[in-house]
Amino acid sequence: AIQMTQFPSSLSASVGDRVTITCRASQGIRSDLGWYQQKPGKAPKLLIYTASSLQSGVPSRFSGSGSGTDFTLTISSLQPEDFATYYCLQDYNYPWTFGQGTKVEIK
Amino acid sequence: QVQLQESGPGLVKPSQTLSLTCTVSGGSISSGGYYWGWLRQPPGKGLEWFGYIYHTGTAYYNPSLESLLTISVDTSKNQFSLKLSSVTAADTALYYCARVRVNPRGGHAFDIWGQGTMVTVSS
Repeated sequence: AIQMTQFPSSLSASVGDRVTITCRASQGIRSDLGWYQQKPGKAPKLLIYTASSLQSGVPSRFSGSGSGTDFTLTISSLQPEDFATYYCLQDYNYPWTFGQGTKVEIK
Repeated sequence: QVQLQESGPGLVKPSQTLSLTCTVSGGSISSGGYYWGWLRQPPGKGLEWFGYIYHTGTAYYNPSLESLLTISVDTSKNQFSLKLSSVTAADTALYYCARVRVNPRGGHAFDIWGQGTMVTVSS
């Protein structure tokens, strides 16, 4: 199975900060990667698909980049509603696998 | 808009079979273009993909769970289901159903999720 290593596992940031989360695949996965946001007690929400495409309705401060093995999710200016846990997911081959998550907390 | 809702027992005994159903509303499973999937999240932990199914009944499973897992679809009820056999305490988790979209440039995404249902495995 492809291992998805996500880092950092947690970070503290202030409103307005630029935040970057990284996901590294154990082998090349082309651009078959998505990013999800999960708030406590809620189901995950799709933010980015195919590594860099913004899901409809998601604010433009979220962006994704990368291909092959290294991917990043960037929040250009952190807002209060962005404090959550973020996961990457590869669907290049089976089993589809998630990163272990990055918890974004308020500084 | 399309909504998904999980249902099933919240408590299952060890060695028994966990059975959950996901009811789709606001759209038809049979309309095609999407797959229908299951995932879970143990308390305080990350997400695990189980598998997904097309309305024709073609299913794709996580190889590590395949021998214990069955995903089926009932288009007449606009539902799809999960059965996980021989459960242990390690199967205690929040179980989600989700719609799987095929992306325009390839790949897939879980674009609509149910709210999740907690299943505890305990005697």
